[in-house]
Amino acid sequence: NAGVTQTPKFQVLKTGQSMTLQCAQDMNHEYMSWYRQDPGMGLRLIHYSVGAGITDQGEVPNGYNVSRSTTEDFPLRLLSAAPSQTSVYFCASGPGGVFEAYEQYFGPGTRLTVT
Amino acid sequence: AQSVTQLGSHVSVSEGALVLLRCNYSSSVPPYLFWYVQYPNQGLQLLLKYTSAATLVKGINGFEAEFKKSETSFHLTKPSAHMSDAAEYFCAVSENGNKLVFGAGTILRVKS
Repeated sequence: NAGVTQTPKFQVLKTGQSMTLQCAQDMNHEYMSWYRQDPGMGLRLIHYSVGAGITDQGEVPNGYNVSRSTTEDFPLRLLSAAPSQTSVYFCASGPGGVFEAYEQYFGPGTRLTVT
Repeated sequence: AQSVTQLGSHVSVSEGALVLLRCNYSSSVPPYLFWYVQYPNQGLQLLLKYTSAATLVKGINGFEAEFKKSETSFHLTKPSAHMSDAAEYFCAVSENGNKLVFGAGTILRVKS
């Protein structure tokens, strides 16, 4: 199992550019999510999905878009990059289920810089 | 709304000393609680989780945490620190098991 994979590892964008951060998992997990990590702020939830075709907003969704057409993939789109979106982005997946404390598996991260 | 407070953004201990990382949470319902560890330039890895089955939870690498409802705390401990424990540690809370709310993190430094 590759687990959770993310591409690219590093990316530099100019303000106003758009791009897609890729995330894939091979564990047949229903739940997938995107977080951003900023110094001193921990990880904050951007968007999440409880299954193919179902997505919802997290704590900091503005400027980001997601879709979930397959169980395996959960791409994150930056519509018009801003310097405030400079961060490290983590994708995570888990078996899902409500009222269960299950482990979420994290990818290695994408370090994004917007100039 | 849920929230997590981790006291101390940096903690330094000597090798062989007790590790204590503090976590207090706020939740309107009985919470699920987690500790994750992040080694440099890596993703997060689960150390342990609280599911209400037992208040003292044992995790990997010799870590454990105790859930104290009256204090709304879930502090992480390890009796004897090892150099390999140097990392950033995150406490997280969830009301339904899905969406995690993380604390700001505590960087643990282990001195030889």
